[in-house]
Amino acid sequence: DTAVSQTPKYLVTQMGNDKSIKCEQNLGHDTMYWYKQDSKKFLKIMFSYNNKELIINETVPNRFSPKSPDKAHLNLHINSLELGDSAVYFCASSQGGGGRGDTQYFGPGTRLTVL
Amino acid sequence: SQQGEEDPQALSIQEGENATMNCSYKTSINNLQWYRQNSGRGLVHLILIRSNEREKHSGRLRVTLDTSKKSSSLLITASRAADTASYFCATVLIQGAQKLVFGQGTRLTINP
Repeated sequence: DTAVSQTPKYLVTQMGNDKSIKCEQNLGHDTMYWYKQDSKKFLKIMFSYNNKELIINETVPNRFSPKSPDKAHLNLHINSLELGDSAVYFCASSQGGGGRGDTQYFGPGTRLTVL
Repeated sequence: SQQGEEDPQALSIQEGENATMNCSYKTSINNLQWYRQNSGRGLVHLILIRSNEREKHSGRLRVTLDTSKKSSSLLITASRAADTASYFCATVLIQGAQKLVFGQGTRLTINP
């Protein structure tokens, strides 16, 4: 029944490691997003994919690489993790791929802690 | 700098009272959306108001938009303990790709 799901919910890892977060949506939406929420609750978009095509790529270190095997999945791979990467990462999806009135549906978040 | 900024950053009221949160933004928008985030959870969409609209209602929620002042307000009437959450405004800009630009949120606490 879960509309947008993410795994894992919690991720604790050492600096320098490589990790992935997975996201899946069963809403049939065309567009998926990754957001980062820092410790001050500031939420900022990182990437957006529409039908497996990258359409938004904010100023994000190239250690972060999104991958969309199909339009229902958008995974986030992070190389060489740094302390500053500690945050909550949210996946979201919306119906439209370029329209401006689309509600976004968020996953429950993945809390990443880099030690 | 951020597009949207909420005010106040934190608000604590008694159950049954009304809660008003404000959001200001800097550049022209296509629409403005309000989201709620319960502690440790994802964001949930509450209401969307388009730039040509001035007011919208949804249940106990009332949203206003003043494009001349570049501001919006969210009013929750007859608050309940379950309304305790953080509330974010997010704008969709007229120019560029569709993306939500979030403010930092208002932390609302409803005291029983």
